Amino acid sequence: DQQVKQNSPSLSVQEGRISILNCDYTNSMFDYFLWYKKYPAEGPTFLISISSIKDKNEDGRFTVFLNKSAKHLSLHIVPSQPGDSAVYFCAASAQIQGTYKYIFGTGTRLKVLA
Amino acid sequence: DVKVTQSSRYLVKRTGEKVFLECVQDMDHENMFWYRQDPGLGLRLIYFSYDVKMKEKGDIPEGYSVSREKKERFSLILESASTNQTSMYLCASSTAGRIHYEQYFGPGTRLTVT
Repeated sequence: DQQVKQNSPSLSVQEGRISILNCDYTNSMFDYFLWYKKYPAEGPTFLISISSIKDKNEDGRFTVFLNKSAKHLSLHIVPSQPGDSAVYFCAASAQIQGTYKYIFGTGTRLKVLA
Repeated sequence: DVKVTQSSRYLVKRTGEKVFLECVQDMDHENMFWYRQDPGLGLRLIYFSYDVKMKEKGDIPEGYSVSREKKERFSLILESASTNQTSMYLCASSTAGRIHYEQYFGPGTRLTVT
């Protein structure tokens, strides 16, 4: 039962264009969402997050959008740069019935073409 | 600079061996986590700890145990390694009160069980 899904395993974008990475979740109790970036042979690094009380959060070239009714979030990278090429994981967290949940998606490999 | 280190980058063990994976963080974080990453499955939480000597099961604790005797150190133990435990193991930490928020990851240990 995959509670957090990233349906696109890979994405290729031209340098300078917008990259849009998508993530869907199934449990409406998730109340905090995060994006991580992972380079080969390194651990994931935190990129940006959003609370469920917001619908948008921006940090430089990175913007995360949350659509709670659709249980969907997306990460926009504008403009995309070759150094953005990495695997991107979304994650969702909540305290559900006294149990802590922090669920990652399966990842999307972004390739930015120079 | 935030630092999470893991004792080995690569490890090869035999079926039935007892395996210890060590993780140390220097950020004085209260929360520590162990994940495994497998292709197509993303990161899955094995165990986490929110304080010394405290531990909670994650989503896939079977076949694993953990130990947290000191705040900075969190060990993952495979009591009797099996081939289906071949995986990338990632340790992470986060600050108290922010258990739902961003985590800081180590570089990972790629474990092969033969």
